[in-house]
Amino acid sequence: EPEVTQTPSHQVTQMGQEVILRCVPISNHLYFYWYRQILGQKVEFLVSFYNNEISEKSEIFDDQFSVERPDGSNFTLKIRSTKLEDSAMYFCASSLGQSSNQPQHFGDGTRLSIL
Amino acid sequence: TQLLEQSPQFLSIQEGENLTVYCNSSSVFSSLQWYRQEPGEGPVLLVTVVTGGEVKKLKRLTFQFGDARKDSSLHITAAQPGDTGLYLCAGDGSSNTGKLIFGQGTTLQVKP
Repeated sequence: EPEVTQTPSHQVTQMGQEVILRCVPISNHLYFYWYRQILGQKVEFLVSFYNNEISEKSEIFDDQFSVERPDGSNFTLKIRSTKLEDSAMYFCASSLGQSSNQPQHFGDGTRLSIL
Repeated sequence: TQLLEQSPQFLSIQEGENLTVYCNSSSVFSSLQWYRQEPGEGPVLLVTVVTGGEVKKLKRLTFQFGDARKDSSLHITAAQPGDTGLYLCAGDGSSNTGKLIFGQGTTLQVKP
């Protein structure tokens, strides 16, 4: 069964450094998402992306965050200048559509640790 | 702000027991999803409920969507150690952008 793949599985970065998290969504999917999960807390929506544009972003997704689909297969999340509070699991998801019978499929996440 | 509250947050039971996990909100959702998440992995979809009052069964798991589409429950019959994991409910945000709003999860441990 096709799956969403994320790399790296674990990223350790010094505070203030830029980090890029990579995702390869399922190939025929059109909608892409990033979520994060701080240890012990809820999974939180960050951003949705469709047709090469951001559809919606949360309050968490400030100017330090950006997303890109550079080559038609990868979907990346960049954090420009990381902060300690950016430490979390970051999940990428994709879906074929937005109806209830076209659910989001999640990758296994990237654990981001900011030192 | 749409919120989903799950209860209980932790549940430890013996193999063979039945259990129910609840997912409640004061907001109406057009659909609710239930996911299961294993350590080190992403959430995996179990079921989507769409119609108020809908009941769906997945082997020993029974999912119900409240009549008013504000709440949902997951009932497991004769739990097995393989059911151990984190169960998450998620509802579609009201913005029609695919945004999912998650509950905080229920950690289930089934002891042999």
